[in-house]
Amino acid sequence: DTGVSQNPRHKITKRGQNVTFRCDPISEHNRLYWYRQTLGQGPEFLTYFNYEAQQDKSGLPNDRFSAERPEGSISTLTIQRTEQRDSAMYRCASSSSAYEQYFGPGTRLTVT
Amino acid sequence: GQSLEQPSEVTAVEGAIVQINCTYQTSGFYGLSWYQQHDGGAPTFLSYNGLDGLEETGRFSSFLSRSDSYGYLLLQELQMKDSASYFCAVRGIYNQGGKLIFGQGTELSVKP
Repeated sequence: DTGVSQNPRHKITKRGQNVTFRCDPISEHNRLYWYRQTLGQGPEFLTYFNYEAQQDKSGLPNDRFSAERPEGSISTLTIQRTEQRDSAMYRCASSSSAYEQYFGPGTRLTVT
Repeated sequence: GQSLEQPSEVTAVEGAIVQINCTYQTSGFYGLSWYQQHDGGAPTFLSYNGLDGLEETGRFSSFLSRSDSYGYLLLQELQMKDSASYFCAVRGIYNQGGKLIFGQGTELSVKP
């Protein structure tokens, strides 16, 4: 068990480009969450998977954001037609219980 | 909706005791979690209160009063390494899968 990993760690992209981030959760964890965090703020929920099923996507800001977890392990978060306001740290977390979530190191997105 | 309030900054000296308060408003409540985040790091789980009362884990304790919609994190025998941001987070009963709503965080500075 090496913890939650994410890649890339940093992504700089131009406005209008699409980006995809990857999350490798802790292997025995069925629950996977995506959060977004900006400086000085707490993590903001985006979406949640239980195994391969996306059970809550209420936090996705708009339809440019999507996430998948097709085999119930690795997950990807995609942002289409990026905008400057999308610049943030995108964090993945996994858990086997609802309240103790293990966070990954995050992917820092900068949209220029 | 759900919202949380915590102080933005707290300063204390090494060896002292500090209490970080959190008040919340939620339409349905399951429990209160606490996370620690060092600069540049990922949030890490500290404590969870599903029931009223005190939970103790080493130098850290957390308290919950459902009737007051209030909780706190107590850090004893402060060490320099405790300088970090501390977030309270609620899980609402209507949040399928344990989506956490985080407060804005309290930045703790421990002085020698």
